[in-house]
Amino acid sequence: DTGVSQDPRHKITKRGQNVTFRCDPISEHNRLYWYRQTLGQGPEFLTYFQNEAQLEKSRLLSDRFSAERPKGSFSTLEIQRTEQGDSAMYLCASSLGHVTGEKLFFGSGTQLSVL
Amino acid sequence: QKEVEQNSGPLSVPEGAIASLNCTYSDRVSQSFFWYRQYSGKSPELIMSIYSNGDKEDGRFTAQLNKASQYVSLLIRDSQPSDSATYLCAVSLEEYGNKLVFGAGTILRVKS
Repeated sequence: DTGVSQDPRHKITKRGQNVTFRCDPISEHNRLYWYRQTLGQGPEFLTYFQNEAQLEKSRLLSDRFSAERPKGSFSTLEIQRTEQGDSAMYLCASSLGHVTGEKLFFGSGTQLSVL
Repeated sequence: QKEVEQNSGPLSVPEGAIASLNCTYSDRVSQSFFWYRQYSGKSPELIMSIYSNGDKEDGRFTAQLNKASQYVSLLIRDSQPSDSATYLCAVSLEEYGNKLVFGAGTILRVKS
């Protein structure tokens, strides 16, 4: 399978715990995006990488959230001290890059539930 | 006003009919427009892209873009029950650095 893959598919955690998600983009894609989606809403932009450089973070992204993309390959999104409001689907997407607004291809997402 | 607006629906159409989904956006200089289909519990799947005014057809799908009216639509001909899903409109907005901004989606139900 050469699509975007995300792990885990589901994560249940208790409030206050830290969680980490992983995304493996399509191999030839140099841009990687993280979005968050809650029920009844469209995906909301969180952050994106051009190769290993994190170029932008949304104002929505609190200091508890951190993302990395070492070596410009896979990416991780960590949420520290989770809150119930963090419960959502976390979507990773990749694109060929160079120009923003290009087609995004999404992974299957990680559904986070914070109890 | 939201940057990308869609009627949440649900839009119900009988099998075989044409489904018409609409989207308006706030940024006059937007250049890229996309339609994604999302089944319940699944991730968005790209089905159409359009970059210039007019119509673009791909199988049973036609995307229509009118930049002067800041309006993009998706027509689905010969609708099938398998088309029942949420359809997300996504627009690259200059005020957001040309990143894709999504509407909340329109739920489509095709009745057999």
